[in-house]
Amino acid sequence: QKEVEQNSGPLSVPEGAIASLNCTYSDRGSQSFFWYRQYSGKSPELIMFIYSNGDKEDGRFTAQLNKASQYVSLLIRDSQPSDSATYLCAVNPSGGGFKTIFGAGTRLFVKA
Amino acid sequence: ETGVTQTPRHLVMGMTNKKSLKCEQHLGHNAMYWYKQSAKKPLELMFVYNFKEQTENNSVPSRFSPECPNSSHLFLHLHTLQPEDSALYLCASSQDPQTNQPQHFGDGTRLSIL
Repeated sequence: QKEVEQNSGPLSVPEGAIASLNCTYSDRGSQSFFWYRQYSGKSPELIMFIYSNGDKEDGRFTAQLNKASQYVSLLIRDSQPSDSATYLCAVNPSGGGFKTIFGAGTRLFVKA
Repeated sequence: ETGVTQTPRHLVMGMTNKKSLKCEQHLGHNAMYWYKQSAKKPLELMFVYNFKEQTENNSVPSRFSPECPNSSHLFLHLHTLQPEDSALYLCASSQDPQTNQPQHFGDGTRLSIL
C-alpha cells in the first residue's frame, strides 16, 4: 500500500516566523511532489511542485525534496495569519499522475 | 468562466434518489478526476479520465457512475447512496497525467445523504 504521511497538527507559529511542514512517502519510485493549500470549506489550491532533489523557491515558499530519505517539506517564511490553512502533500508514485496519493494534511495556525 | 467549475455546490438527497454532479474545465486539459474528501481523511481518488477514456477506477462502488462525454466535461451519477457517502466531492483536471503535471481543483460539491 503506497502511502503519504503528514503530521495532522495543528502546527502553531507566530506571525513572521518560519513554518516548516513535512511529508514522507513510501514509494521510492515516486516522480513528482506537490503542495496544496486548502482553506476551510474551500478546494485545494496548488502552492508548489517539485520534481528534483534539492530546494525550489517561489516567493515566501520553499519546497525541499530528498528522494534518498523519501521526504518532502514546505517552508513558509514570514508567516502571515492568511497562511492559516490545511496544507496537503501529494505524490505521484511510480504509476504517474493516474494514481496521485494525498496525505491527510497538516493544519497550520499563524498567530497574529 | 475560468478554471474548473463544479455544480451544484451543495446537494442534499435521500438514499433512494438519483442525482448527478457536473464538472467543467476551461483549461484545455486532457485529464479529469473525481475525488472524495471526508472529514479528517486524505483525498481519495475515485476515477480518472484521460482523453475521455477511463484509466482508473479505484474500487469505487457501482452506486457511483462516472461519465466523460469530452475532455472538458465530467459527470458523476449517483443512485441509492449510503449515509457514509456524505462528503465533499472534488473534480480536478491536469494537462497530461503521464507528464506529472499538477492538478487543478474545482470548488467541490458538498453532498449530504439523509
